[in-house]
Amino acid sequence: EPEVTQTPSHQVTQMGQEVILRCVPISNHLYFYWYRQILGQKVEFLVSFYNNEISEKSEIFDDQFSVERPDGSNFTLKIRSTKLEDSAMYFCASSERGLGGYTFGSGTRLTVV
Amino acid sequence: AQTVTQSQPEMSVQEAETVTLSCTYDTSESDYYLFWYKQPPSRQMILVIRQEAYKQQNATENRFSVNFQKAAKSFSLKISDSQLGDAAMYFCAYRGRGGETSGSRLTFGEGTQLTVNP
Repeated sequence: EPEVTQTPSHQVTQMGQEVILRCVPISNHLYFYWYRQILGQKVEFLVSFYNNEISEKSEIFDDQFSVERPDGSNFTLKIRSTKLEDSAMYFCASSERGLGGYTFGSGTRLTVV
Repeated sequence: AQTVTQSQPEMSVQEAETVTLSCTYDTSESDYYLFWYKQPPSRQMILVIRQEAYKQQNATENRFSVNFQKAAKSFSLKISDSQLGDAAMYFCAYRGRGGETSGSRLTFGEGTQLTVNP
């Protein structure tokens, strides 16, 4: 069964450093998403991406965050200057269409120290 | 804005028994999707079951079924013949119809931690 692949599975970074989280969506999917989950809290939407541009973003997704699809397979989330409160599990997801359900990756656990 | 509420932070069930997890939501839309996701200790998000609001028939996937009450905005998950592997955090989620060019967001509830006792 096709999977959404995320790397790395766990990343530790120092406060103020830039991090890039990587995702390889399912190959025929057209819509891509990032979500995050702070430990013990609900899963929160960050951003959706379609046709090489952001289609929707949440209030969490401020200027510190950016997304990019640098080639035909990768989808990345960049955090420019990490803060302690950015520590969370980050999930990438993709869907074939804009409607219905989608498939999540296994997540990247980001720890900011 | 849409909201999703799971009023049961924790539930427990005996192995082989049946358990029902509750979820309510609030929306002004008439067409939408509802989902239950399972998150085991590995923290991966696994789709358990989905329901399209325009369908009156309740969705079923093997031991998992839902009770979708559109007028009451209720979407409960029933797990029959519970197994030890069912132990996980369960999230209810809502997705509006959005559009073909927007890919609308999922809104999640707070989650219900299910324990299965042998």
